[in-house]
Amino acid sequence: KNEVEQSPQNLTAQEGEFITINCSYSVGISALHWLQQHPGGGIVSLFMLSSGKKKHGRLIATINIQEKHSSLHITASHPRDSAVYICAALPSGGGADGLTFGKGTHLIIQP
Amino acid sequence: NAGVTQTPKFQVLKTGQSMTLQCAQDMNHEYMSWYRQDPGMGLRLIHYSVGAGITDQGEVPNGYNVSRSTTEDFPLRLLSAAPSQTSVYFCASSYLGSSSYNSPLHFGNGTRLTVT
Repeated sequence: KNEVEQSPQNLTAQEGEFITINCSYSVGISALHWLQQHPGGGIVSLFMLSSGKKKHGRLIATINIQEKHSSLHITASHPRDSAVYICAALPSGGGADGLTFGKGTHLIIQP
Repeated sequence: NAGVTQTPKFQVLKTGQSMTLQCAQDMNHEYMSWYRQDPGMGLRLIHYSVGAGITDQGEVPNGYNVSRSTTEDFPLRLLSAAPSQTSVYFCASSYLGSSSYNSPLHFGNGTRLTVT
């Protein structure tokens, strides 16, 4: 069974700081998702990647397939980035029930 | 374009009552799923569907039923609510495409269910 671990569990930072959230998984995967859950509860898909790096605005997601590790970076962090960030991994050859979710990283950006 | 619409937003049930959580999507997605989110745990899959008329069990299916009569709708039924089903429920959908199951997920806004 694929184990997905996120670190840190909680992170408090000052506005403007560079943020890194880590995700590691235990088996080979075909896709890695990064999701954002706002305090109101809604969940939004940020990235889906299987190799390399993706960038959207101030958010950057990277993945190292050999090391079974992905990172989500936030540059010039802002209080509106405060949310829970969740990674989820789909094992290679995984079916529709194969997606395993991490427990999330609770990020607070203070003004 | 509404995306994934999930209702109700909040619900309180007494033990033994039944109810249906509604989920509809207007993106013509083949894949639809239900998750529950509990404190200290990742999202866990309850049931999923890869198309109209096709459903299957996920990790935690006991106490829940689903059906998929149309591409758009995927209701989740609690047959006899139990306090252990107190949770936040999310419906999600995605396009299957040529690389099955690795398309971005679109989530509903969630239903906070309390069973007393």
